[in-house]
Amino acid sequence: ETGVTQTPRHLVMGMTNKKSLKCEQHLGHNAMYWYKQSAKKPLELMFVYSLEERVENNSVPSRFSPECPNSSHLFLHLHTLQPEDSALYLCASSQDRFREGGDEQFFGPGTRLTVL
Amino acid sequence: GENVEQHPSTLSVQEGDSAVIKCTYSDSASNYFPWYKQELGKGPQLIIDIRSNVGEKKDQRIAVTLNKTAKHFSLHITETQPEDSAVYFCATRGSNYKLTFGKGTLLTVNP
Repeated sequence: ETGVTQTPRHLVMGMTNKKSLKCEQHLGHNAMYWYKQSAKKPLELMFVYSLEERVENNSVPSRFSPECPNSSHLFLHLHTLQPEDSALYLCASSQDRFREGGDEQFFGPGTRLTVL
Repeated sequence: GENVEQHPSTLSVQEGDSAVIKCTYSDSASNYFPWYKQELGKGPQLIIDIRSNVGEKKDQRIAVTLNKTAKHFSLHITETQPEDSAVYFCATRGSNYKLTFGKGTLLTVNP
């Protein structure tokens, strides 16, 4: 595997279910990100992890719970979601988010989530 | 916080024509300006980026220009091909080290 991988690619869940999204990066990067992509809206940054420490939480509801057990893996645990949470969830990684002059982010293919 | 406006939201061109997408931003401390291409069923992929000490950058048929005084930057695609059809996003990295994205431009290249 190369780059950033995400599983599952598609997920349908009821409002009372608990599920998890998984992301793995094979690039040796130090930072990992979760984004939400909804139709007609810009990508929304949800969480940022740098060296396995959460450094950013953009006022995301507590029904989304991230976990970063090591620098290569990132999870997003989901519980009691709402239909408006249906979206494409993208994971990304970068070498060093504080790199002077910019830091390229590499995206995975995303998980298409549908909440019924 | 940073605000990024992207225009147009949709763009249709004939194969071989040029396409231009424009973005404006509000954070004068922004210093990194990437452009991403997203094809159906895939995540965004970086196609070109520019840093604030450079006014223009070119990579084959793709070029980006930056005007820091006016706080706008543009993506130029020349000799468009059907495989250029996708959604294109501009982004900026501001003083908070976050990437702020535009809403995207759906480019359709008609053969």
